Amino acid sequence: LAKTTQPISMDSYEGQEVNITCSHNNIATNDYITWYQQFPSQGPRFIIQGYKTKVTNEVASLFIPADRKSSTLSLPRVSLSDTAVYYCLVGAYSSASKIIFGSGTRLSIRP
Amino acid sequence: EADIYQTPRYLVIGTGKKITLECSQTMGHDKMYWYQQDPGMELHLIHYSYGVNSTEKGDLSSESTVSRIRTEHFPLTLESARPSHTSQYLCASSDWQRSTGELFFGEGSRLTVL
Repeated sequence: LAKTTQPISMDSYEGQEVNITCSHNNIATNDYITWYQQFPSQGPRFIIQGYKTKVTNEVASLFIPADRKSSTLSLPRVSLSDTAVYYCLVGAYSSASKIIFGSGTRLSIRP
Repeated sequence: EADIYQTPRYLVIGTGKKITLECSQTMGHDKMYWYQQDPGMELHLIHYSYGVNSTEKGDLSSESTVSRIRTEHFPLTLESARPSHTSQYLCASSDWQRSTGELFFGEGSRLTVL
């Protein structure tokens, strides 16, 4: 799997838009970019996945530039409940491969 | 809701005891995983399986063992528990034939070895 680099932590306030960027310079042609969210004492939960350009769902948007060497998870109008650790993963999950989580970004939302 | 279940949720046990953490999923997923995570720390992959009779070691060396006799069941066993095994163990599964390969996690088993 391609190595990913994310900020260790971020702070924001309720109602703000939060953007978390992930670098993945060695991404391969068949790799997808996937983001997970983890609350304390729970397992991670899938948020969004993309291959290129922009993907949007009811929770977040994912922006991927043409060179795919980075990606940005965008959380619109965050609330206190968005306080969590966010992981960026890169890999060709359709193949039989192990899935490794990095350090993630610890997002803290304040009132 | 993901249909993946772990038991027990919490276990406090003495040193030297044998323990088995159960993990079952009803989604028919081929791939299953065990991760170990200490509070506030990274998730570490300790075991994974491609399907029945397949088991592989992950990136973090672990004294635990796993088995995959049935598609839906992926138990983890510690033959002789030690305080260093105190941690949270998270089981997950995925359908690797789908393009997303989304991981579904159980609620975890928190193990404390005294």
